[in-house]
Amino acid sequence: QLVLTQSPSASASLGASVKLTCTLSSGHSTYAIAWHQQQPEKGPRYLMKLNSDGSHSKGDGIPDRFSGSSSGAERYLTISSLQSEDEADYYCQTWATGIRVFGGGTKLTVL
Amino acid sequence: EVQVVESGGGLIQPGGSLRLACAASGFTVSTNHMSWVRQAPGKGLEWVSVIYSGGSTNYADSVKGRFTISRDNSKNTLYLQMNSLRAEDTAVYYCARESADHYYVDVWGKGTPVTVSS
Repeated sequence: QLVLTQSPSASASLGASVKLTCTLSSGHSTYAIAWHQQQPEKGPRYLMKLNSDGSHSKGDGIPDRFSGSSSGAERYLTISSLQSEDEADYYCQTWATGIRVFGGGTKLTVL
Repeated sequence: EVQVVESGGGLIQPGGSLRLACAASGFTVSTNHMSWVRQAPGKGLEWVSVIYSGGSTNYADSVKGRFTISRDNSKNTLYLQMNSLRAEDTAVYYCARESADHYYVDVWGKGTPVTVSS
């Protein structure tokens, strides 16, 4: 079964960096994913597509502070030089024939 | 500008029906894969349904047999017909365009809220 696992919460200080993790279920380690951001009381926003080799393509207007990387079944979103507006929920998403799957989301708190 | 705008949400009694609409601009609905994604209060994102550019459809098990996704090419609009609504269908419903190269969302709407309650 295709499942994405995310830690429920993360925190980091203003100006620091944070690395969020999304883990693919067993047997699906080669799958690409997408990262989405949802700021409080807003709709989600597409950040980037991330491949298993770590290559990624970002959406229009996404700052260079956002980057992606991969290792095995893990997909990472790194946000550097954290700003207050980065405080949001972050979701990973993947897909297979006939289905789309979202991770449970990580709530990022900027201290 | 590429965007999608949802409408049609509201308060509906259990067992009732509602049709959501998603008006697209800046791109053509019929040549893209389009999805509906929902978010229950305080919960994460849940995929609901997709209609492919070729017209075929898929549904999450939780809505299969009750919801129908469709599109009107002349109006460049996506729809979600929701029947036999349950309390657990209460959520904000987002319209989403999927990328041309793979099946991930690259354009999101702002959502329309649906509340199923007596």
